[in-house]
Amino acid sequence: DTAVSQTPKYLVTQMGNDKSIKCEQNLGHDTMYWYKQDSKKFLKIMFSYNNKELIINETVPNRFSPKSPDKAHLNLHINSLELGDSAVYFCASSQDTSTGELFFGEGSRLTVL
Amino acid sequence: QQQVKQSPQSLIVQKGGIPIINCAYENTAFDYFPWYQQFPGKGPALLIAIRPDVSEKKEGRFTISFNKSAKQFSLHIMDSQPGDSATYFCAASNTGRRALTFGSGTRLQVQP
Repeated sequence: DTAVSQTPKYLVTQMGNDKSIKCEQNLGHDTMYWYKQDSKKFLKIMFSYNNKELIINETVPNRFSPKSPDKAHLNLHINSLELGDSAVYFCASSQDTSTGELFFGEGSRLTVL
Repeated sequence: QQQVKQSPQSLIVQKGGIPIINCAYENTAFDYFPWYQQFPGKGPALLIAIRPDVSEKKEGRFTISFNKSAKQFSLHIMDSQPGDSATYFCAASNTGRRALTFGSGTRLQVQP
C-alpha cells in the first residue's frame, strides 16, 4: 500500500497552460504539504494544510492554488505555467507534531517547454 | 534567507569509510533536527532525528552529533556501503511551525 501517492508522476506541458497535481495519503494524517525541489535538489516548502485549513503559504505566486477537499487529499493547481515552474513537486504528510516526521510521495516531475 | 546551511555539497568515500555531513542553523526556536535520505526518482525518507536535549543519537550505522551552543549538527555514517549512495538532507523545525526547513543537500557516493 502506497502511503502518500501523487499523480501524475511526469507532466510535460507548454508555457501558459494550466495543470494540476493530485495527492492522497492513506496514513490518517492531519497535515499535508507541498514542497518544490528545483534542479539543484533544493527542497522548499510551498504550502501546508491541517485538517483542510491552510496554515502555511510560503510566498508562492498566486498562480499556484492548493486545494484540500478533505484531510486525506491535497491538490495543487498551477495557472499560466512558466519555464521557472519546472521542478519536482513533492507532497508529504505528517501526524504527530511532536515527532515531526514527514512522509513524502515519490514526486511529480513537471517540465514546462 | 537560508536558515539551515549544509556542507559539503558532494562527497565521495570508499566502501567502509565514514562520511560526515555537517549542518548549521540560525533559528534558535528549532527543536527537531532530522536527516532525510533521497534516492534518485524517490521522495525523501526519514533516516534519523534528534532533539536538542541530547548530544548524540545512534541508529544502526547512522549517528547524529548535536552541538546546541554552536547551533550545529552532523550525520556520520559508519562502515559506509555502496547502497548508501544517495542525497542526504538535514532539516529543522519547531513545534510552532510544523513544516521542515531543509538544508541544500549532500550527494554521497560510496565507491566499492
